[in-house]
Amino acid sequence: GDSVTQMEGPVTLSEEAFLTINCTYTATGYPSLFWYVQYPGEGLQLLLKATKADDKGSNKGFEATYRKETTSFHLEKGSVQVSDSAVYFCALSDQAGGGADGLTFGKGTHLIIQP
Amino acid sequence: DTEVTQTPKHLVMGMTNKKSLKCEQHMGHRAMYWYKQKAKKPPELMFVYSYEKLSINESVPSRFSPECPNSSLLNLHLHALQPEDSALYLCASSRRGTGSTGELFFGEGSRLTVL
Repeated sequence: GDSVTQMEGPVTLSEEAFLTINCTYTATGYPSLFWYVQYPGEGLQLLLKATKADDKGSNKGFEATYRKETTSFHLEKGSVQVSDSAVYFCALSDQAGGGADGLTFGKGTHLIIQP
Repeated sequence: DTEVTQTPKHLVMGMTNKKSLKCEQHMGHRAMYWYKQKAKKPPELMFVYSYEKLSINESVPSRFSPECPNSSLLNLHLHALQPEDSALYLCASSRRGTGSTGELFFGEGSRLTVL
């Protein structure tokens, strides 16, 4: 079955540091890939997505590129802020044709940014 | 309107109580989901409704009873819960059909405490 593996935290960085959170996946077919972010006490928000190989998703300074050859979707940001402290989930949807089976999530990475 | 609205935000109930969680979306999505999330864990899929019909039940105990009265509303009826059922319950929705990427739109969640 489908699976997502991401580095687990907590990951602690200083403000303005470079961020990478690794994510690799296993899926049949051609999945869509997502990064969701969850701030304390809140639900999940879509951060960015990519639906086919070599697509780059970007939002709020975060980027991730869909790499089919390495089955990866690593999240990067050049300069993190304290407000980026949250839990980040990598996820995939193996729903070619618009089905509804939900998402396969990684275990989540707790990111802590210190001033 | 790109929101999924969940009520109540917080709920405390005893093991003999009956309560309900409610979820609403007006994006025209035809798939709706209930997830359960424990602290520091990824969301776990409970139920999926597709075109108002239950399509996935992930072996959830019968003390959780979902209902989809129409394409915009999703309820989760709770009865005789156990303390281990305390968690954040997330509702989500998604498009169906051609062009769907599998992206889920999440609500803020209902935090349930069972005493």
